[in-house]
Amino acid sequence: KAGVTQTPRYLIKTRGQQVTLSCSPISGHRSVSWYQQTPGQGLQFLFEYFSETQRNKGNFPGRFSGRQFSNSRSEMNVSTLELGDSALYLCASSLDPLRVGAGELFFGEGSRLTVL
Amino acid sequence: GQNIDQPTEMTATEGAIVQINCTYQTSGFNGLFWYQQHAGEAPTFLSYNVLDGLEEKGRFSSFLSRSKGYSYLLLKELQMKDSASYLCAVKDSNYQLIWGAGTKLIIKP
Repeated sequence: KAGVTQTPRYLIKTRGQQVTLSCSPISGHRSVSWYQQTPGQGLQFLFEYFSETQRNKGNFPGRFSGRQFSNSRSEMNVSTLELGDSALYLCASSLDPLRVGAGELFFGEGSRLTVL
Repeated sequence: GQNIDQPTEMTATEGAIVQINCTYQTSGFNGLFWYQQHAGEAPTFLSYNVLDGLEEKGRFSSFLSRSKGYSYLLLKELQMKDSASYLCAVKDSNYQLIWGAGTKLIIKP
């Protein structure tokens, strides 16, 4: 079956602009999580959506937002971009990580954002 | 606060064995994951431990001691393709994943 698809793969923006990233999860997966990855910082959790509801949110400013549609596809938006927002943004889908058992995440290839 | 510690970088020789350690302090525990991430690629799931002991999967094994807040990933018969970052993550009491910064493993011929 098709994996997690993220678009765009690469993008360059300037400070103050906004960006929208898209994620299509594996068919049948209702949970979508977003992460920011920067060198040396590891994966920083942004938020998780399940059945169109945000269930968990990390410690990121309100400039970072997201949503999930009825078909489980998800988007995240970053407004008023700052230089420090340059990172790889990873989306991961899962059947439901909020349950006992593995509930491993399946990651997309990521969207690499460069802010100039 | 919640914390996951793992070495930043390790070097090993092709054909050898390497152990990557992970220690954690989290609010509750609902399982520990290891993921592999090759440079420029997405992380991929390697293993899951929720009970103490060793889980073996081919050349890779993962060990967990909940009382010590400790896990390790053991890679045997190292191959050049094992050069990657290895990420340790713990699911806390809210079932939220807490991630370590990752260990970059360099394999030398």
